Amino acid sequence: GQNIDQPTEMTATEGAIVQINCTYQTSGFNGLFWYQQHAGEAPTFLSYNVLDGLEEKGRFSSFLSRSKGYSYLLLKELQMKDSASYLCAVRDIRSNDYKLSFGAGTTVTVRA
Amino acid sequence: ETGVTQTPRHLVMGMTNKKSLKCEQHLGHNAMYWYKQSAKKPLELMFVYSLEERVENNSVPSRFSPECPNSSHLFLHLHTLQPEDSALYLCASSQDREYTEAFFGQGTRLTVV
Repeated sequence: GQNIDQPTEMTATEGAIVQINCTYQTSGFNGLFWYQQHAGEAPTFLSYNVLDGLEEKGRFSSFLSRSKGYSYLLLKELQMKDSASYLCAVRDIRSNDYKLSFGAGTTVTVRA
Repeated sequence: ETGVTQTPRHLVMGMTNKKSLKCEQHLGHNAMYWYKQSAKKPLELMFVYSLEERVENNSVPSRFSPECPNSSHLFLHLHTLQPEDSALYLCASSQDREYTEAFFGQGTRLTVV
């Protein structure tokens, strides 16, 4: 299976930038996802990377390096509402079947 | 609002009870999923249905029994659960299994007493 590692917690100040790293090990990589989950709410999709490079979407950007088994989610101009858990998930293909595995999530706390 | 609705939002049940969780999506998606989310642990995929056919069962105990009567509805039938089964149960759907985005419901917070 995949080993997906991400930091447990991060704290940053409103207006600052935070980078959440995710490392993974998989044999049939087929995409990496980032989800945001506020306490007591459903996870919501943030980004999808399948090729190397940076995908930018407003204040959020996601980077992937397949050769290094590494991704990061960059949150710019932090707002209080960005306080949430951020989940890294990796999909791979094994025997023509798709498998999606999640990391344990990184809880980001934004302080005034 | 993600388009995926789960009921109930909260459920407390005894170990001898039988209950069912319901998930409904009107997004026209063909794949639906059950996940278990325990505190401080990764989301665990439990079951996958594609075009109403179960395509994945990740070694889930038989006390959890899924049902997918049509492409819009997914159930998780629960019986003789254990306290360690207490968790947030999330339903998700996607266009197909090669999706680039999945939509999650709000989850059912289950407490087994």
